[in-house]
Amino acid sequence: EVQLVESGGGLVQPGGSLRLSCAASGFTFSSFEMNWVRQAPGKGLEWISYIGSNGSSIYYADSVKGRFTISRDNSKNSLYLQMNSLRAEDTAVYYCARGTVVVLWGQGTLVTVSS
Amino acid sequence: EIVMTQSPATLSVSPGERATLSCRASQSVSSNLAWYQQRPGQAPRLLIYGASTRATGIPARFSGSGSGTEFTLTISSLQSEDFVVYYCQQYDNWPITFGQGTRLEIK
Repeated sequence: EVQLVESGGGLVQPGGSLRLSCAASGFTFSSFEMNWVRQAPGKGLEWISYIGSNGSSIYYADSVKGRFTISRDNSKNSLYLQMNSLRAEDTAVYYCARGTVVVLWGQGTLVTVSS
Repeated sequence: EIVMTQSPATLSVSPGERATLSCRASQSVSSNLAWYQQRPGQAPRLLIYGASTRATGIPARFSGSGSGTEFTLTISSLQSEDFVVYYCQQYDNWPITFGQGTRLEIK
């Protein structure tokens, strides 16, 4: 089955860190560019980071630049998001998304930043 | 950053009627515009890309049009499952940006 499964979300204190993972299956992961998109509770979609198929191209939204790091391990069919210096406004469901026109989404993992 | 503005924020339409959702870009995005549908508690679903191409498995009642800065998603003959939230997205320039969404509600 073609799917993306995120993990690693949870409750973290402001200023803390969290690492999200996204496991891909059912397709040739190394052939696809990947993104992270988030959605704060009751709000719209916000793209936050992109990584090219071989990891050579990386982009970030200004809201996370310098705090978040996207990476991938094509040998493990996995995408990652290292999140540091977390703020309350980072509270959201984080989606792993295949492609910039996103045909395939993960189910999302909830990150809550609160003391 | 290209700002995507969707209107209206909420649209009230009766089942069986047609809904027209608008999306405006702050600068030209050519035809690099997609539409997504999101049901409560679910990830978004791609409906339209390239401004007017239906994604695989999307019913023909969904259609997209426009180019440059003005885009429209039309849903003809609304079904009960269509009354959810819709987002436009430009992928012409970094950063990728989404509109704030239009909620389609039953009139």
